[in-house]
Amino acid sequence: KQEVTQIPAALSVPEGENLVLNCSFTDSAIYNLQWFRQDPGKGLTSLLLIQSSQREQTSGRLNASLDKSSGRSTLYIAASQPGDSATYLCAVPDNTGKLIFGQGTTLQVKP
Amino acid sequence: DGGITQSPKYLFRKEGQNVTLSCEQNLNHDAMYWYRQDPGQGLRLIYYSQIVNDFQKGDIAEGYSVSREKKESFPLTVTSAQKNPTAFYLCASSMSSGVSYNEQFFGPGTRLTVL
Repeated sequence: KQEVTQIPAALSVPEGENLVLNCSFTDSAIYNLQWFRQDPGKGLTSLLLIQSSQREQTSGRLNASLDKSSGRSTLYIAASQPGDSATYLCAVPDNTGKLIFGQGTTLQVKP
Repeated sequence: DGGITQSPKYLFRKEGQNVTLSCEQNLNHDAMYWYRQDPGQGLRLIYYSQIVNDFQKGDIAEGYSVSREKKESFPLTVTSAQKNPTAFYLCASSMSSGVSYNEQFFGPGTRLTVL
């Protein structure tokens, strides 16, 4: 059974720092991996989807990498800003398309 | 303006009442999903639908029901049989349920509180 883990659960950094969020999964036979952002009381915003055949995807200051063999993905945020403060979730689909989510990393970027 | 809408944003239910949460999408997506989010437990799948007039139970379907009469609509009914319905409910959709490419997009959510 696929399990997804995100460490750390919470992270606080000063503005301007580059940071890395981690996501690990137990079954390396994934089709893709999706990173989301969630602001308090809001829905999920899709940030990046990285296919199993890809090693990384980039969108602005965000870069997601995928290493299937080790069961890991990282989300790199460059030059963090207070507006990046949110909870970041990673998820992988099972063979029905259902997403299996990690518990999330809550990020606070201090001005 | 394409996207997923959910209504209402907040919903209050008395003990023993059934309530229905609305989810509409204009993305022309085939697949739609309902998740429940509780603090400390992450998101769990309630029901999903891969095509009109068809749906399947997710991990926590007991006490919930759905219908999929139209492609763009996937309403969720929380029945009185659901023991602890207070939670944040999220609807999502994807182009198809095929796993080769199934980026999911989420609505803004409905917060349900039992009084």
